Amino acid sequence: DIQMTQSPSSLSASVGDRVTITCRASQSISSYLNWYQQKPGKAPKLLIYAASSLQSGVPSRFSGSGSGTDFTLTISSLQPEDFATYYCQQSYSTPRTFGQGTRLEIK
Amino acid sequence: EVQLVESGGGLVQPGGSLRLSCAASGFTFSSYEMNWVRQAPGKGLEWVSYISSSGSTIYYADSVKGRFTISRDNAKNSLYLQMNSLRAEDTAVYYCARDDGDRDAFDIWGQGTMVTVSS
Repeated sequence: DIQMTQSPSSLSASVGDRVTITCRASQSISSYLNWYQQKPGKAPKLLIYAASSLQSGVPSRFSGSGSGTDFTLTISSLQPEDFATYYCQQSYSTPRTFGQGTRLEIK
Repeated sequence: EVQLVESGGGLVQPGGSLRLSCAASGFTFSSYEMNWVRQAPGKGLEWVSYISSSGSTIYYADSVKGRFTISRDNAKNSLYLQMNSLRAEDTAVYYCARDDGDRDAFDIWGQGTMVTVSS
């Protein structure tokens, strides 16, 4: 199975900050990498697919990059509604493993 | 509106069984692959099972293989997860998720249903 490792596990930031979350795969997954946002008590929401493609309706302050084993999710200017937990997921092979999550908290 | 609604969760004793359902609406259910994903309390997301649009291809996580069975009824726009021999570690919120084959991502999720395995 492909292991996905996110860093950091938690992050404190302020509204307006630029934030980057990293995801590393245990083997090359090309660009088969997705990012999800989850708020407490809610289902995950797809933000980015294929490493860098923005899902319809997602604000442009979210962006993704990377290929192979190293990927990043960047939020260019944090908004109050962005404080949540973020998960990466590889879709290169089954099982479709997730990272352990990055909790983004208000500083 | 595109929607997935899970049901069937609840409290069950270790060794017991439960059947989850996921009702789809607002899209052509029979055209999409589907998945179950779970989340233990305070923990991250764990993929559980996959079923192709026709039901002919199925995969399971090692943690549930031999105990859980995924199925679908395209005529009823419904996805199911039969869970047998339940263990305390199966306690989680279970989500059904639509698999967008073009994007290779889970683009629509249900609200989740809680399964608690405890005596």
